[in-house]
Amino acid sequence: AQSVTQLDSQVPVFEEAPVELRCNYSSSVSVYLFWYVQYPNQGLQLLLKYLSGSTLVKGINGFEAEFNKSQTSFHLRKPSVHISDTAEYFCAVTLNSGYSTLTFGKGTMLLVSP
Amino acid sequence: GAVVSQHPSWVICKSGTSVKIECRSLDFQATTMFWYRQFPKQSLMLMATSNEGSKATYEQGVEKDKFLINHASLTLSTLTVTSAHPEDSSFYICSASHAEGANEQFFGPGTRLTVL
Repeated sequence: AQSVTQLDSQVPVFEEAPVELRCNYSSSVSVYLFWYVQYPNQGLQLLLKYLSGSTLVKGINGFEAEFNKSQTSFHLRKPSVHISDTAEYFCAVTLNSGYSTLTFGKGTMLLVSP
Repeated sequence: GAVVSQHPSWVICKSGTSVKIECRSLDFQATTMFWYRQFPKQSLMLMATSNEGSKATYEQGVEKDKFLINHASLTLSTLTVTSAHPEDSSFYICSASHAEGANEQFFGPGTRLTVL
């Protein structure tokens, strides 16, 4: 079975600073990887996904992530954050063949202050 | 594209009553729908997976008689919380995927259930 680890439960950062949210996964087979953002009392919005191809994936709102198979990581980055980026971020993984459910990490709260 | 809606967005009910939550895929046919539960400041916990026209598959520890799931069509799944109690209060989120979705799920906006 696959698993996801988000080491940081909370990441405080100042506005316009760069940020990296870490995600590591574990799986014995190839996977698809996702990053979702959740604003208070709302559902999940897809930021970006890695299915195949280029390991550098660009998503919405200026976010990007890099798939590193050797380190089993899929860290999320943004070069300059805004106050509006304050939200909960979830990394998720599913197997890339056959039927598989989505496994979520515990989430990282990004707190952007002025 | 790939929009999923939920209704209601929030509901308050008395203990002992039943509550039905609807999940609809608005612009695609959802071969599979998923129901999640999320406690405050926690991740999503998968409750069950349903395929159109067949019985739902519940995760371990989820009471199937308490959380009734129906997936009657390719665009609608419902979750009924029967005889709700305060401990059932939570944020319930559904998601849907289609056959060509590469295991990708599209999420609804969630339903906040408060049981008094």
